[in-house]
Amino acid sequence: GAVVSQHPSWVICKSGTSVKIECRSLDFQATTMFWYRQFPKQSLMLMATSNEGSKATYEQGVEKDKFLINHASLTLSTLTVTSAHPEDSSFYICSAIATVNQPQHFGDGTRLSIL
Amino acid sequence: SQQGEEDPQALSIQEGENATMNCSYKTSINNLQWYRQNSGRGLVHLILIRSNEREKHSGRLRVTLDTSKKSSSLLITASRAADTASYFCATAGGSFGNEKLTFGTGTRLTIIP
Repeated sequence: GAVVSQHPSWVICKSGTSVKIECRSLDFQATTMFWYRQFPKQSLMLMATSNEGSKATYEQGVEKDKFLINHASLTLSTLTVTSAHPEDSSFYICSAIATVNQPQHFGDGTRLSIL
Repeated sequence: SQQGEEDPQALSIQEGENATMNCSYKTSINNLQWYRQNSGRGLVHLILIRSNEREKHSGRLRVTLDTSKKSSSLLITASRAADTASYFCATAGGSFGNEKLTFGTGTRLTIIP
């Protein structure tokens, strides 16, 4: 089945650091990738939609300059949390879709802890 | 927010019993999907049901969709301890090609051995 790899799975860093999270579709080409944020015991909140070769579309309230998304190829999207602060600590999950009207395939998530 | 609601928020049942979770949503959809999430992990796709379908089965899973009531249900039969997880419904579309998912609030299912 379709596999999405997300790396790293866990990162702890100091306030002010920038952190990059990678999302790769391993066995299919992803027309679109999505980035979500999830707080403990809550649902997923979509942050942005990413299409290869074009700028990401951010959801209302998500800071574009804080959460930089690059979708360089049909198999790789990256999320960079710039100048991270403790309030950015969360569980970030990516997903990828091969074609329309099909399920999204999720990575295993990245737990980000900012000290 | 267009987030859907799931009911119940939490459910604990004995192993072997059936578990039913309900999902309501607010807007027109292309499809509705159910996902499972084990603690601290990503989501695993369970079933996708399209707006012109009313019922779908996959193994021990049965999903229904009532677009007139904007609601769906997920039934897990003969539950197992490994079914312990959070379950989310998610709706897609409204317009073709709009693949953004709106997730429900989730149901935390606990299967008691």
